Parts: sequence; structure tokens; C-alpha cells
Amino acid sequence: GENVEQHPSTLSVQEGDSAVIKCTYSDSASNYFPWYKQELGKRPQLIIDIRSNVGEKKDQRIAVTLNKTAKHFSLHITETQPEDSAVYFCAASRSGGYNKLIFGAGTRLAVHP
Amino acid sequence: GAGVSQSPSNKVTEKGKDVELRCDPISGHTALYWYRQSLGQGLEFLIYFQGNSAPDKSGLPSDRFSAERTGGSVSTLTIQRTQQEDSAVYLCASSLSTGRDEQYFGPGTRLTVT
Repeated sequence: GENVEQHPSTLSVQEGDSAVIKCTYSDSASNYFPWYKQELGKRPQLIIDIRSNVGEKKDQRIAVTLNKTAKHFSLHITETQPEDSAVYFCAASRSGGYNKLIFGAGTRLAVHP
Repeated sequence: GAGVSQSPSNKVTEKGKDVELRCDPISGHTALYWYRQSLGQGLEFLIYFQGNSAPDKSGLPSDRFSAERTGGSVSTLTIQRTQQEDSAVYLCASSLSTGRDEQYFGPGTRLTVT
């Protein structure tokens, strides 16, 4: 069935370092890949997304890359700050029609001052 | 503008009781989704609505779970004869239409079954 695997489950970095989170999906028909940030006790917030016709997308300190051949996509956060500390979820879906999101298990990122 | 809202924010119920969880999507959003997030876990899809119709109920864990949507807006998720394994945060999301991918989440309802 449809599955998204996410690694690592926890990630600890020093402020100013980069953080990379990787996901692999199983449904080859997936073509929409969002990333959500969830702070403790808060709702998931969409931070960036990418579609299959694009290999990379950047938004300030955040970037996402997609390798459709390998069915991999990754989130890159540069110059990390303590406020980046949260749980990050990747997801995959088929765009158009309806788009049930299949989520990874999440990565708990801790940025230490 | 107003985001997705859910009520109640917290619900504690005894095993065997029925509960109703409510979701108010963003105004004008025609697609509505329910997900469940167990402690420390990712989000699990439950059901999807387009307008008042539910084309995909495949994620509902058992026949104790049901959902409806009226007027193309508010949705209610009902869990009958609650069990302890139903304890989780139930999240609702909406999107502008099924042709638009971005889903925006509500704050969730934390359900605890004792």
C-alpha cells in the first residue's frame, strides 16, 4: 500500500548548522510533496511544498529537493535557529482529483543555542 | 482570515460512550479531510469530503467511526462506543477544492478515553 518513510526520527543540531530530513515514498503516482512543521501542542503548519515537475524549491532558509526516479524528497534548513525546533512531517499525495496526504512518522528537530 | 476551527479542544470520555467532534473549515473551502494523530506518531488519514459527499472513507478504523458534512461546510466526526485505543488528537484540514493541493489544518481535538 501507500507508504512514506521519514528519517531521522530525531535530529539535534547547534544553532547556525544545517539540518536535513529525508523521505521516501512508495506510490509512483504521487506528485505533490508538502512539508509541515508542528510545534508542541499546535496544529501542523504548511512550510513548503514541491510538485513533481520541479526538482528543487527554496524559500529563504528552507529548501526542498525531489528525485522522482528514486522516489526521494528532502527538506533542508540552513542557518538553523532555536525557533526551528519542532516536529517536521513530510507527506505525499496524488495531485488533482482528491489528494489524501500520506504522512511520514515525523522528525523531532532540536536546535541548541 | 479565519482558519480551520475545531471543537472541543479537549474531550475526556468514559469507555463505551459516544463522542462528536466538530470541524469548521475555512470559508469557501470545498474539500475537507479528517486525520488522526496518535501520541508521538504521524498523521493517519480517516475520511475525505468533497462538498457533502464522502468519496473516500477508507481510513475509518471501524464501523464505530462515522462522519457527515452538511451545507458544504461544518463536519462532524462521531465515534460510537469509544475504546481506549481511540485516544488521539483528531485533526481536520480543508483545501480550496480538490484541484488545489494545499491543506490547512485546524488545532485538533484531543480525545482521551478512560
